[in-house]
Amino acid sequence: DTEVTQTPKHLVMGMTNKKSLKCEQHMGHRAMYWYKQKAKKPPELMFVYSYEKLSINESVPSRFSPECPNSSLLNLHLHALQPEDSALYLCASSLPSFYNEQFFGPGTRLTVL
Amino acid sequence: GQQLNQSPQSMFIQEGEDVSMNCTSSSIFNTWLWYKQDPGEGPVLLIALYKAGELTSNGRLTAQFGITRKDSFLNISASIPSDVGIYFCAGQSHTGTASKLTFGTGTRLQVTL
Repeated sequence: DTEVTQTPKHLVMGMTNKKSLKCEQHMGHRAMYWYKQKAKKPPELMFVYSYEKLSINESVPSRFSPECPNSSLLNLHLHALQPEDSALYLCASSLPSFYNEQFFGPGTRLTVL
Repeated sequence: GQQLNQSPQSMFIQEGEDVSMNCTSSSIFNTWLWYKQDPGEGPVLLIALYKAGELTSNGRLTAQFGITRKDSFLNISASIPSDVGIYFCAGQSHTGTASKLTFGTGTRLQVTL
């Protein structure tokens, strides 16, 4: 298995809703990442998990809450989002070695109403 | 966050033509990566470069890691319609067992028959 999967593909939520994004990989990668991508812009790093521990938080607002329950799974819990949080949310994973290129999932298109 | 300077911003070329794009940075990177992204999808890794001066090919794609470690270029030979998309360079920094990507601003490629 050489892919990163993300669910759901699309999500529409209100500003008072609570929802979660899910990411899964079975490549034995021990680093996992969340990115946010606005239209016509490059991806921006949000969080990095290494060996299931949060190692980087790029000053992301607390309404985004990441979780890494095991080495294959990464979640992003969403609560009280704003319309400007609408974007494509990408998950990536990499090996814990020097040759640790990041492989991306297809993304979740999030719309906040 | 920081973005790398990528040029050109967009290209409109005819099928069969060769394409060249480049990326420059004020910082040194350990690794340079090139990704392609189709609309609504996640970035797909095309080429990874690990050593200054390295020249690497992947089919019709050729990329080089600049000697100064602050730049990289990507060439696509004999372009075809499926080359359409956005190409991102990314400089990679290693942070222990994870990595941090700094993306270029992207080059939008359009190919006509």
